[in-house]
Amino acid sequence: NAGVTQTPKFRVLKTGQSMTLLCAQDMNHEYMYWYRQDPGMGLRLIHYSVGEGTTAKGEVPDGYNVSRLKKQNFLLGLESAAPSQTSVYFCASSLVGRYRDEQYFGPGTRLTVT
Amino acid sequence: TQLLEQSPQFLSIQEGENLTVYCNSSSVFSSLQWYRQEPGEGPVLLVTVVTGGEVKKLKRLTFQFGDARKDSSLHITAAQPGDTGLYLCAGGGNQFYFGTGTSLTVIP
Repeated sequence: NAGVTQTPKFRVLKTGQSMTLLCAQDMNHEYMYWYRQDPGMGLRLIHYSVGEGTTAKGEVPDGYNVSRLKKQNFLLGLESAAPSQTSVYFCASSLVGRYRDEQYFGPGTRLTVT
Repeated sequence: TQLLEQSPQFLSIQEGENLTVYCNSSSVFSSLQWYRQEPGEGPVLLVTVVTGGEVKKLKRLTFQFGDARKDSSLHITAAQPGDTGLYLCAGGGNQFYFGTGTSLTVIP
C-alpha cells in the first residue's frame, strides 16, 4: 500500500497563476482533508470531504476550491495564487465513525508563490 | 483562534533526559490525538485517547488525557535522538483542530 500520496512535491507559482494539487489514497478511506502548515500556526484545515461527491469548508477555505469526484482522490485548486498562499500543503485521510480523527497524512507539497 | 495551545514551543535536551510536553484547551474534545512529524514529512499518528483520565503507553512515551478532556500531556522517558521531531496534539469533536506543536531536539 502506498498510503496517501501527493503530487507535486514542490511548485513555484507567480502571483495570479493557477494550479491543482492532487491527493490519492489507497486505503478506501471515506474522509479526506487538505491542510496548510505555516511556521508558528500549526496545521490549519482548508477543506474536507466526508465522501465521494461531497466537500465542506474548513478553518481557512478562502482562495481555494476542492473536488472529490472519486473516492480515492481529493483535488485542491488555487485559481489565482497569492503570496499569502506560500505554504506546505498536506493531504490526509481517515475512516469514519470512532476512527474519524485518526488521520493518515501524505508527504506534503511545498508551494512558493512569488 | 488557536483552540489547542502546546507548551513548550521548543525543547532541546540531552540524550537520556526525561521531558513532558503539554496540550491545553478551554474546549472539551471527544478524542485527542498525538502525532510526530519529522522534517520534510507528514505527521504520523502516535496515539488516540478518548476517556477522561486515560493513560496510554507506547514504549518510552506516556500519554495522558485530562479528567475533563480539555488537556493532555506527553511524557518521554530517557529521550533518544530518534525522538527528535515536531509533536502535535489534535482534538476532535464537531471539527478537528491541531495545536501549534512542540519542536523537540534530543542531543546525543
